[in-house]
Amino acid sequence: DVKVTQSSRYLVKRTGEKVFLECVQDMDHENMFWYRQDPGLGLRLIYFSYDVKMKEKGDIPEGYSVSREKKERFSLILESASTNQTSMYLCASSLRRAYNSYEQYFGPGTRLTVT
Amino acid sequence: QKEVEQNSGPLSVPEGAIASLNCTYSDRVSQSFFWYRQYSGKSPELIMSIYSNGDKEDGRFTAQLNKASQYVSLLIRDSQPSDSATYLCAGYVSPGTASKLTFGTGTRLQVTL
Repeated sequence: DVKVTQSSRYLVKRTGEKVFLECVQDMDHENMFWYRQDPGLGLRLIYFSYDVKMKEKGDIPEGYSVSREKKERFSLILESASTNQTSMYLCASSLRRAYNSYEQYFGPGTRLTVT
Repeated sequence: QKEVEQNSGPLSVPEGAIASLNCTYSDRVSQSFFWYRQYSGKSPELIMSIYSNGDKEDGRFTAQLNKASQYVSLLIRDSQPSDSATYLCAGYVSPGTASKLTFGTGTRLQVTL
């Protein structure tokens, strides 16, 4: 069965704190993704990774960085959290990078509040 | 034009009726499409994928792809209150970013008793 897990369901942080969100998948997928979802704006891609130690910017990478040291784990880092980063953060994974027809599977999401 | 567009709804249908959800897409979007269901406060759950022109059925769900008109639809037969959710349409943007899935903003479905 497809399984993507995220380290926290709910997180409250203060402005300026460094925040780590972790995602783990057990499907041996090559691709992993980080999105944020906000009312009225839909899902927006922050960063994605095709393989270990590889990363590419998505549509809204500013204020974020990522790390992928192992195939199954993809971390999103907020270097200095700000209130406009309050959002639902969703991790997803999919097979391969050469073909664009593979489904993405989502983790349960982390609702981050920055005060 | 947005790459993937959906009517935000809400679409209200009575229990037992057919719900029809529609999505249009731009020339930049390739021919692989996905429907996700998202309950309030939860993450998107994949319910259907369609890659070729025509219909694809899975239980009460039917996905339809019309490449000539650039739309994809999802039909839900015998709608149940548990189908009340937001439905997201998604397709891959090409060329170049082969793995970048782009989502519509979703259609909220309400199934009434």
